[in-house]
Amino acid sequence: DTGVSQNPRHKITKRGQNVTFRCDPISEHNRLYWYRQTLGQGPEFLTYFQNEAQLEKSRLLSDRFSAERPKGSFSTLEIQRTEQGDSAMYLCASSPNTGLWYEQYFGPGTRLTVT
Amino acid sequence: AQTVTQSQPEMSVQEAETVTLSCTYDTSESDYYLFWYKQPPSRQMILVIRQEAYKQQNATENRFSVNFQKAAKSFSLKISDSQLGDAAMYFCASTNSGGSNYKLTFGKGTLLTVNP
Repeated sequence: DTGVSQNPRHKITKRGQNVTFRCDPISEHNRLYWYRQTLGQGPEFLTYFQNEAQLEKSRLLSDRFSAERPKGSFSTLEIQRTEQGDSAMYLCASSPNTGLWYEQYFGPGTRLTVT
Repeated sequence: AQTVTQSQPEMSVQEAETVTLSCTYDTSESDYYLFWYKQPPSRQMILVIRQEAYKQQNATENRFSVNFQKAAKSFSLKISDSQLGDAAMYFCASTNSGGSNYKLTFGKGTLLTVNP
C-alpha cells in the first residue's frame, strides 16, 4: 500500500492552455474524490467516482473541467482553456467500499499556477 | 447542505502544553461523521481523528481527543502534550452517511504554531 499518488506535483501553465492531472488511488479503493483548495481555504468538493462511474459533479466544475476514471483505477482531471482563477491545489482522495468507507485518504496534491 | 465553521484562523501553543481548536457545524442529516484533518506545510492531508455522530462517547487517539456536543453542533479538538511536529493547518470536516457519496465539507482551517 503506497498511498494515494498524484502527478505532477506542480504545474505552471499559461492562460488558455490545457492541463491534465493524474491521481492513482490506493489499490482496491472503489471511491475516488477530487477537491480544489485555494489559498487560505479548506478543500472544496469537485467530483466523485465510484469505480468507473462519475456519480456527482459540483457546480464548481465548469464545462472546462472534465474528469475520467477508466476501468475504475486511476483518474484524470483535465482543465481546458485555463484561467488565472484556476490556480489552486487540486487534491485527490480515495476511500474503500467496505469497512471504514467514510474515511478518505488524500494524495499530496497538484499545485497549478496559471500565469 | 452541510457547513463547517472554524472561528480561529490561527492558534499557538507552547511545547508540552494543551491546546483546543474549535469547530461548529450545521447539517440537516440525522446521521453523519465528523473529522479533524492535519495538513503540514507542503505535505498531504492526514486524518487525525474521527467521530461518528451516533456515538455519545468522545473519540480519542493518543494525544488527540475531541469534545463532541451534538445538541450544540460543536466538535472541538484537544491536543495534549503538544509537540513541534503538531505544527500544521488543522481542518474540521463533516460528511453525511446517506447515499454513496461521502464528500467532505471542510472548514477554513486553523493554523497551529507550536513554540519550543
